[in-house]
Amino acid sequence: DVQMTQSPSSLSASVGDRVTITCQASQDISNYVNWFQHKPGKAPKLLIYDASNLDAGVPSRFSGSGFGTEFSFTISSLQPEDVATYYCHQYDHIPQAFGQGTKLEIK
Amino acid sequence: QVQLQESGPGLVKPSQTLSLTCSVTGDSISRATYYWNWVRQPAGKGLEWIGRLYSTGRASYNPSLKSRVTMSVDTSKNHFSLNLTTLTAADTAVYFCARGIQLSIWGQGILVTVSS
Repeated sequence: DVQMTQSPSSLSASVGDRVTITCQASQDISNYVNWFQHKPGKAPKLLIYDASNLDAGVPSRFSGSGFGTEFSFTISSLQPEDVATYYCHQYDHIPQAFGQGTKLEIK
Repeated sequence: QVQLQESGPGLVKPSQTLSLTCSVTGDSISRATYYWNWVRQPAGKGLEWIGRLYSTGRASYNPSLKSRVTMSVDTSKNHFSLNLTTLTAADTAVYFCARGIQLSIWGQGILVTVSS
């Protein structure tokens, strides 16, 4: 199985800060990575697909990059509404797998 | 606009079987060439992919649950289903259904508690 190691597990930053989350896959998964935003009581929301493509309607402050085993997700200017848990997700291999999640808070 | 909605019991006894349904509106399961997924989140924990099935009914499951999971599609009712057998407290979670290989559209989730 492909393991997704996500870091950090939690993050506290100020409004306007640049925030980066990383995900390492245990084997090459090309660019088959999504990034999700998950708020309590809500459905997870797809932000980035195929490692770097912004889903429709997602603000441009969100971005993703990476290929192979190393991936990153960035919020260029943190906003209060970005408080959530973020997950990477690989869909190259069965079983699909999520990272452990990064809980993002505002300082 | 495509929408997914989970339904089923909120409380199930240990050792019993959980049956959940995901109703799809705004699209036809039989026409769409999508994968239809189930994902769960135990309280305080992360997301776990349970499995997926194609509109033809071909399914793939997470090996961690494979012996207990069955998924099926009912094109006449435009919904797909999850059956999970031999429940334990560890199966207590919010269960989500989601569309597509990229899980681009999700239902709101349903909390299932396994308790006697």
